[in-house]
Amino acid sequence: EDKVVQSPLSLVVHEGDTVTLNCSYEVTNFRSLLWYKQEKKAPTFLFMLTSSGIEKKSGRLSSILDNKELFSILNITATQTGDSAVYLCAVFYGGATNKLIFGTGTLLAVQP
Amino acid sequence: GAGVSQSPSNKVTEKGKDVELRCDPISGHTALYWYRQSLGQGLEFLIYFQGNSAPDKSGLPSDRFSAERTGGSVSTLTIQRTQQEDSAVYLCASSYRGFQPQHFGDGTRLSIL
Repeated sequence: EDKVVQSPLSLVVHEGDTVTLNCSYEVTNFRSLLWYKQEKKAPTFLFMLTSSGIEKKSGRLSSILDNKELFSILNITATQTGDSAVYLCAVFYGGATNKLIFGTGTLLAVQP
Repeated sequence: GAGVSQSPSNKVTEKGKDVELRCDPISGHTALYWYRQSLGQGLEFLIYFQGNSAPDKSGLPSDRFSAERTGGSVSTLTIQRTQQEDSAVYLCASSYRGFQPQHFGDGTRLSIL
């Protein structure tokens, strides 16, 4: 069965801390892995990772994929209260469909 | 428009009624997707459109659910004879083409009384 598993389920940190969020997957015909941030409503796109070992960075956020061990991590350095959100990991299911299979997310709370 | 637009933002209806949810994708995006997000659950895929065709309807939970897309743009998700378990946030997403990042609307929160 295709699945995407995220850990931890939730995390509470203080401003300035560095956090690492984990995503492991078992998906038929893997193509790419995506990270989204969901605050109140629409998930917003962060990264799409296709190649193993190549880090993608955007400001304080970075992510990397290991497609041999079938996982990805999302790092956030110098966290701010505005980073508080649910972080979703999703994988493109192979074949003719473009559907994403999502994990249940990691709830991050950054305290002042 | 600049982003994916969904309407209504909230819908409360009685069990057994039919509901229609609308999605207006980003202009120029050929692919459109519907997902459902229930409390404490991840996003669950419902249906995928490429243009006006739906190559993958595998996520529709029952024959009470249907969707269409016209003019390669606006899509409507229809739920007939709603049940309480249909209560969820229904999210629409679009992408320029397949296997590209999907951009989401704010969703329709559906509550069945």
